Amino acid sequence: QKEVEQDPGPLSVPEGAIVSLNCTYSNSAFQYFMWYRQYSRKGPELLMYTYSSGNKEDGRFTAQVDKSSKYISLFIRDSQPSDSATYLCAMSRDSGYSTLTFGKGTMLLVSP
Amino acid sequence: NAGVTQTPKFQVLKTGQSMTLQCAQDMNHNSMYWYRQDPGMGLRLIYYSASEGTTDKGEVPNGYNVSRLNKREFSLRLESAAPSQTSVYFCASSDGQTETQYFGPGTRLLVL
Repeated sequence: QKEVEQDPGPLSVPEGAIVSLNCTYSNSAFQYFMWYRQYSRKGPELLMYTYSSGNKEDGRFTAQVDKSSKYISLFIRDSQPSDSATYLCAMSRDSGYSTLTFGKGTMLLVSP
Repeated sequence: NAGVTQTPKFQVLKTGQSMTLQCAQDMNHNSMYWYRQDPGMGLRLIYYSASEGTTDKGEVPNGYNVSRLNKREFSLRLESAAPSQTSVYFCASSDGQTETQYFGPGTRLLVL
């Protein structure tokens, strides 16, 4: 079993839809959870960062962590064509210096 | 601030040739990382450097060497390139206080 599982998609939605992106993980030691967005032929950029369980909201984006189920989600409200990208989840065990474990990414396509 | 810069943007090598990928960051970060990204495989860590003067192997270090030249620069060397090293290579840095990593634009490498 991979440490982090993420459906590769593609996930196609119409503009304005609510999008749900998810990752599951097996290592209960993970405490820090991130979502990165990667546009085609670009480097990943940090979108959301969450510590432990709970929700975090930033504009149209909400990150949710359920450590008891080892499940994290990213919700995008009122999706826009500019949200079309690959979304990577990432997680780490320790604070400060540590390595990240990435999911393989989900490709999202938002059509006008 | 330029953030994380990588050179070259694109390179074609023949099997057996050597080359060095350059990475520099201007954010005064302590930690730097090299990843490769392949279709269906996600981001995989090659090497990382927690601080100037230290380097450690990641998930896929075979066939690569690194040098942390100073706090700003972290280079990745392929001594004898193989077709299996055809990939997109990303450099990243972090301040070592949080888990957030900032990525460069990537180097696309094709080994024939």
